[in-house]
Amino acid sequence: EAQVTQNPRYLITVTGKKLTVTCSQNMNHEYMSWYRQDPGLGLRQIYYSMNVEVTDKGDVPEGYKVSRKEKRNFPLILESPSPNQTSLYFCASSLSPGGNAKNIQYFGAGTRLSVL
Amino acid sequence: RKEVEQDPGPFNVPEGATVAFNCTYSNSASQSFFWYRQDCRKEPKLLMSVYSSGNEDGRFTAQLNRASQYISLLIRDSKLSDSATYLCVVNQGNTGFQKLVFGTGTRLLVSP
Repeated sequence: EAQVTQNPRYLITVTGKKLTVTCSQNMNHEYMSWYRQDPGLGLRQIYYSMNVEVTDKGDVPEGYKVSRKEKRNFPLILESPSPNQTSLYFCASSLSPGGNAKNIQYFGAGTRLSVL
Repeated sequence: RKEVEQDPGPFNVPEGATVAFNCTYSNSASQSFFWYRQDCRKEPKLLMSVYSSGNEDGRFTAQLNRASQYISLLIRDSKLSDSATYLCVVNQGNTGFQKLVFGTGTRLLVSP
């Protein structure tokens, strides 16, 4: 089954304790992306990757790191989480970096993070 | 002004009703447009892409008006299962690069 898998689904942590949220896709997609979703703000892009070893900042990258060593995996790293990073996080992938109407984004099930 | 604006709702409609949502976008260079559906606390899923000539998928019809920079979604014969949040999504990139901007969503509640 084609899917984007995020882990963990739920995480409660404390300020300053490094954490990693994993994301894996089995569709051989080139493009992967991380978003956060907050009430009243919609989904905002944190980082994206156009292919292996190619990553770039989205709209809200502060406090986050990513890596893309393999095509299928795109982990999100919070080196020193803070309460303002409490949010719902989604990983997404699409076949290519292109912006045409047929290049659909597929989302993971989400990770609900609380930073105390 | 937000880049993509939607009425947050909620729109409360009875089963069988027709309901329409609008979405406006600010970047006239936007290339492609989508409606995604998001159930409570779940991931967004593509409902349909929006083409310039308008397109229909069963009970759902999407329209694009580039001159006025708005997108619409019409749902006919609403079902209880249509209750969800509908996200308007605009690609502000180009055919070689995607830059998706999401609206905050319009919530639909369909009641018996």
